[in-house]
Amino acid sequence: GAGVSQTPSNKVTEKGKYVELRCDPISGHTALYWYRQSLGQGPEFLIYFQGTGAADDSGLPNDRFFAVRPEGSVSTLKIQRTERGDSAVYLCASSLGDRADTQYFGPGTRLTVL
Amino acid sequence: GNSVTQMEGPVTLSEEAFLTINCTYTATGYPSLFWYVQYPGEGLQLLLKATKADDKGSNKGFEATYRKETTSFHLEKGSVQVSDSAVYFCALRGSGSNYKLTFGKGTLLTVNP
Repeated sequence: GAGVSQTPSNKVTEKGKYVELRCDPISGHTALYWYRQSLGQGPEFLIYFQGTGAADDSGLPNDRFFAVRPEGSVSTLKIQRTERGDSAVYLCASSLGDRADTQYFGPGTRLTVL
Repeated sequence: GNSVTQMEGPVTLSEEAFLTINCTYTATGYPSLFWYVQYPGEGLQLLLKATKADDKGSNKGFEATYRKETTSFHLEKGSVQVSDSAVYFCALRGSGSNYKLTFGKGTLLTVNP
C-alpha cells in the first residue's frame, strides 16, 4: 500500500515568509509525528497527534511553529516569519496508534530559508 | 533526558567486510531500541528493533542485541554489500507513556566493490 507522503519535496522561501508543509499518513494510522532533521544530525521530535488533537507539542521550538490535523488524517505544519535557522528537512511519520507500533517515515520536505 | 550516542562516521568498508556500528544510550526505565536506515534519496526505514533486555533484532543480515548492562545496541553485519551503503540511525523510545523517538546523529556507511 501507499506509504507516508509529504509535499512539497523541496521548498525555498525568503526570510520572514510563511510556509506550509503537508503530510499524508498511511491510511488508517491514527498517530502522526513531525520531526526536524538538521544537516548532520538525527531527526528531532516536534509534535505528536493522536487523531485530531495534538497530544504533545513540546518539541516545537517556538510559537512561530504550529501544526494541525483537522480530520485526523492529513496534517499541515505551519511556520510563520521563517528564519534562516529553520532550514532543515522536516519529516513526518505515522503509526497505527498504539505506542508499541512502528513509526513509518515519509521522504521529508527540505526547507531552505534564504 | 533520553539520549543516544552512536559511532561517528563516515565508515568505509570493502564488500564482504564485517560491520559494527556502535550505539549507546541514556534513558530511565526500559526503553525500546531501534535501528533506522536511510538509503540515498529515500526516507527513513526501520531496519530492526528490540523492545526488552537481551532481545536480538535482526533483518537483512543485520543484527543488534539490547544490552541493558552496558546500555548498548550495536549494529553488526557479517558481510556487507555495496547496496548496504546508507546512513544508519540508532534510536530509542522511552518507557511508559513516552512515544517520541530520540535519534543519534547517524553514521554514513560506504561499501566499495
